[in-house]
Amino acid sequence: DSGVTQTPKHLITATGQRVTLRCSPRSGDLSVYWYQQSLDQGLQFLIQYYNGEERAKGNILERFSAQQFPDLHSELNLSSLELGDSALYFCASSVGDRVGGNTIYFGEGSWLTVV
Amino acid sequence: GQSLEQPSEVTAVEGAIVQINCTYQTSGFYGLSWYQQHDGGAPTFLSYNALDGLEETGRFSSFLSRSDSYGYLLLQELQMKDSASYFCAVRDIQAGTALIFGKGTTLSVSS
Repeated sequence: DSGVTQTPKHLITATGQRVTLRCSPRSGDLSVYWYQQSLDQGLQFLIQYYNGEERAKGNILERFSAQQFPDLHSELNLSSLELGDSALYFCASSVGDRVGGNTIYFGEGSWLTVV
Repeated sequence: GQSLEQPSEVTAVEGAIVQINCTYQTSGFYGLSWYQQHDGGAPTFLSYNALDGLEETGRFSSFLSRSDSYGYLLLQELQMKDSASYFCAVRDIQAGTALIFGKGTTLSVSS
């Protein structure tokens, strides 16, 4: 158990809908990362938050947004869902914002199926 | 930007040794990490190399050559439970402290 908690574990929704994925980082971790994993794309970095502020953006679509709250939990909002958004969404966390030797820890993921 | 190349699949038998190579391109190098992911599970940290040379952790070792932009993960005394996907990853300053992952190598260990 990494200490990173994600909910829900599984979610099935229809095209055009909106969903929210939730993540609680490890105790003491200030950075939260969101990744998308689909069969043909591997682990794609979406976005990072550090202590409530957006720190870096990866391949995140405009239909997707995220935020990190004062208690450091984070939410990833996915809207106008398309079939291609079906994937495993991981949240990860790390202690700080330093690049050297900064291991990140992954949650168990949220399986999203868009039908 | 950054890119990482690693083989898509490797097969081996129990007790054997396997090496998974990774070449990378990144605008700023801050070390090479390796993660293991069992089917549908969370990626878990295996190893990190910031400097050239070999890092050993039990049956797993990781090597880095910064001048060649190359690293590898060496798995010894393979067990069935080592069947998983293995990802190399780097940081790129443009992505904060996020790890950018290769597409992964699926290792299948047979008896």
